[in-house]
Amino acid sequence: GAGVSQSPRYKVAKRGQDVALRCDPISGHVSLFWYQQALGQGPEFLTYFQNEAQLDKSGLPSDRFFAERPEGSVSTLKIQRTQQEDSAVYLCASSSDSRSYNEQFFGPGTRLTVL
Amino acid sequence: AQSVTQPDIHITVSEGASLELRCNYSYGATPYLFWYVQSPGQGLQLLLKYFSGDTLVQGIKGFEAEFKRSQSSFNLRKPSVHWSDAAEYFCAVEAGKSTFGDGTTLTVKP
Repeated sequence: GAGVSQSPRYKVAKRGQDVALRCDPISGHVSLFWYQQALGQGPEFLTYFQNEAQLDKSGLPSDRFFAERPEGSVSTLKIQRTQQEDSAVYLCASSSDSRSYNEQFFGPGTRLTVL
Repeated sequence: AQSVTQPDIHITVSEGASLELRCNYSYGATPYLFWYVQSPGQGLQLLLKYFSGDTLVQGIKGFEAEFKRSQSSFNLRKPSVHWSDAAEYFCAVEAGKSTFGDGTTLTVKP
């Protein structure tokens, strides 16, 4: 079946604009994760959903970042009033259940560039 | 809080040579440990994972890793590297949430 997909793959925003990044997880996957990967660094955890419940949002860098998964499948990461430091690749991953050691399947990411 | 260190930013090996990528972690107990590979424009792909039992774990593409509790290490190895192994490799610790190292870029010389 299809893997995790993300759209758009590339997004250029002017500073101050709002952006919305979409993640389509693997069908039936319970867990969904968002990560931010800055250039030359590893992914950094942003937030975690189990079905529609956002169980951990401790990694969101500011209140400009907001994520939702209203029906327990597709998720959207929204960034308001984008800043240059928000430029990064945003990765989404899903997992078949909530156990920590389960494999996460990653999407290709959305590369956000803020000018 | 957990942390992961990958001491080598960039490694170059010749095709057919052996490979070892280092990973050290910091965590109070035994965490779940993972190695991922990321090719340009691709998402991360799981190579292998350790969460209990045998400390030598086998993964896909001929990779293996050894968990050494005394050294807080989880080094990735491959006996003979192929040109297609050129990519970026990430070690990760899962202890409530995933923490990744900054990665090691592998270049393979013909």
